[in-house]
Amino acid sequence: SQKIEQNSEALNIQEGKTATLTCNYTNYSPAYLQWYRQDPGRGPVFLLLIRENEKEKRKERLKVTFDTTLKQSLFHITASQPADSATYLCAPGNTGNQFYFGTGTSLTVIP
Amino acid sequence: DSGVTQTPKHLITATGQRVTLRCSPRSGDLSVYWYQQSLDQGLQFLIQYYNGEERAKGNILERFSAQQFPDLHSELNLSSLELGDSALYFCASSVRTSGSSGELFFGEGSRLTVL
Repeated sequence: SQKIEQNSEALNIQEGKTATLTCNYTNYSPAYLQWYRQDPGRGPVFLLLIRENEKEKRKERLKVTFDTTLKQSLFHITASQPADSATYLCAPGNTGNQFYFGTGTSLTVIP
Repeated sequence: DSGVTQTPKHLITATGQRVTLRCSPRSGDLSVYWYQQSLDQGLQFLIQYYNGEERAKGNILERFSAQQFPDLHSELNLSSLELGDSALYFCASSVRTSGSSGELFFGEGSRLTVL
């Protein structure tokens, strides 16, 4: 069955540094991959979508890469700020199969 | 504000009881999704409706059921509740069908506590 894995351990980084989060998937061939942010007790919020024919996507301080050979997406936050502290979820999607989320990675940016 | 409204925000009930959670999607969105998130657990997909019809089913227990009404709001019914059903239940909506890459807009969730 399909599996979506993210860094299981929490990630702590210093303010100003770049945070890199990983999303790996198996038994799956997604046509695109979405990233969401979730704050404690709140609903996830969509951040970015990258398609299989795109290697990289940027939005302000966010950058996402998508390697269909490695079956992996990397999510980068540059010049990180304490306000970036949250859980980040990846969601690979395909026709008829866009409902599943990864386990999430908790990011803490230390001032 | 995502535009997705969920009620109630909090609900405390006893084992064996039945509850109904309600979701109003964003204006114009035809798809509604339900997710369960237990403490320290990821989002578990339960079920999806599109324009009143069930489109996909995930890990939804037989004790749970859902429907989407003609006005597009949706209800998730949880019956014979067990302690393990305590969780945050999220509703999300999307403008498109399951065959697209439309982003999901999530509500703020309904926190269910079963005592």
